[in-house]
Amino acid sequence: DTGVSQNPRHKITKRGQNVTFRCDPISEHNRLYWYRQTLGQGPEFLTYFQNEAQLEKSRLLSDRFSAERPKGSFSTLEIQRTEQGDSAMYLCASTLGTEAFFGQGTRLTVV
Amino acid sequence: GEDVEQSLFLSVREGDSSVINCTYTDSSSTYLYWYKQEPGAGLQLLTYIFSNMDMKQDQRLTVLLNKKDKHLSLRIADTQTGDSAIYFCAPEGPNDYKLSFGAGTTVTVRA
Repeated sequence: DTGVSQNPRHKITKRGQNVTFRCDPISEHNRLYWYRQTLGQGPEFLTYFQNEAQLEKSRLLSDRFSAERPKGSFSTLEIQRTEQGDSAMYLCASTLGTEAFFGQGTRLTVV
Repeated sequence: GEDVEQSLFLSVREGDSSVINCTYTDSSSTYLYWYKQEPGAGLQLLTYIFSNMDMKQDQRLTVLLNKKDKHLSLRIADTQTGDSAIYFCAPEGPNDYKLSFGAGTTVTVRA
């Protein structure tokens, strides 16, 4: 297993377009997290899944954001009608127990 | 949510020890983590400590926890140029397992 994989690594989109990111966690990890990191800041929690159930969503996650984890394996994060303020690094992490491992992130630039 | 504070910058000479400090607000944090982030990359798990311990050593890394003062530190012995990065401490919430991050400490190693 090569760790948590995120695709794409970079995405440039025009304001108003929809984008979708994918995260493949380490196999058998039952918890999966999404975080957002803006320049000069630490990651901020967005949402997390235990298996296929979405257990918590941050108030940072507006109605334009939706996340899924069908069948409890990979997860997708979709942003509809992107805004310039959505530009950030989106990080995914997975864990089975104590240690949470992060992917390399998807850097989104909204122009 | 939990507040995490770290000093923003640390400059250290190659071969010296680095000490990165962190304070947090939620005394019920169960595990407290240290992550390393290099430019444009995701977060790499360095080490962690369980809240009923006060010290953990892992090769060049030593973690000290003062639970009463809610203070966590990371000491890196024999600091190398490859240790230049941003370091985040991240306490884990007791029930939801999500991590809280501060803004991180940028460590610069000079020759």
